[in-house]
Amino acid sequence: AQSVTQLDSQVPVFEEAPVELRCNYSSSVSVYLFWYVQYPNQGLQLLLKYLSGSTLVKGINGFEAEFNKSQTSFHLRKPSVHISDTAEYFCAVSISGGSNSKLTFGKGTLLTVNP
Amino acid sequence: DAGVTQSPTHLIKTRGQQVTLRCSPKSGHDTVSWYQQALGQGPQFIFQYYEEEERQRGNFPDRFSGHQFPNYSSELNVNALLLGDSALYLCASSPPTGLNYGYTFGSGTRLTVV
Repeated sequence: AQSVTQLDSQVPVFEEAPVELRCNYSSSVSVYLFWYVQYPNQGLQLLLKYLSGSTLVKGINGFEAEFNKSQTSFHLRKPSVHISDTAEYFCAVSISGGSNSKLTFGKGTLLTVNP
Repeated sequence: DAGVTQSPTHLIKTRGQQVTLRCSPKSGHDTVSWYQQALGQGPQFIFQYYEEEERQRGNFPDRFSGHQFPNYSSELNVNALLLGDSALYLCASSPPTGLNYGYTFGSGTRLTVV
């Protein structure tokens, strides 16, 4: 079975600073990787995904992530954060990219951007 | 284009009661999955419905059951509620083409069991 570990439960940063949210996964087969964001009292919004091809993936709101197969990691980065980026971020993995996919999520990282 | 719609948004039930949560998938999506998100945790997969059948199931007891209708909408039923069932229940839909566009999640139903 696959699993996801988000190494930091909370990450506080100042506005306009860079940020990296770390994600490691475990799987015996090839995986598809996702980052979702959850704002307070809302559902999950897809930030970006890695299905195949280039290991550097660009998403919405200026976020990007790099798939590193040898280190089984998929860290999320943003060069300059805004107050509005304050939210919970979830890394997720699937072993299938088809319509029968199910996601296994990490426990989440709370990003707090301070002025 | 409406996304995934869930109802109700909030619900308070008493231990031992039964509850039904509803989900309308995004237009063009035919697969519905349900997730439970306990406070401070990531979502956990409950089950998935496709062509009105449960296609796969996570590690949840039989008290959790579901249904999918011909219009692809879905219900999640939980019987004999426990305090530990208090959580945000998320519905997600996906298209026939799979995860090229990821799941689309609804805003969830917050269930509180007292």
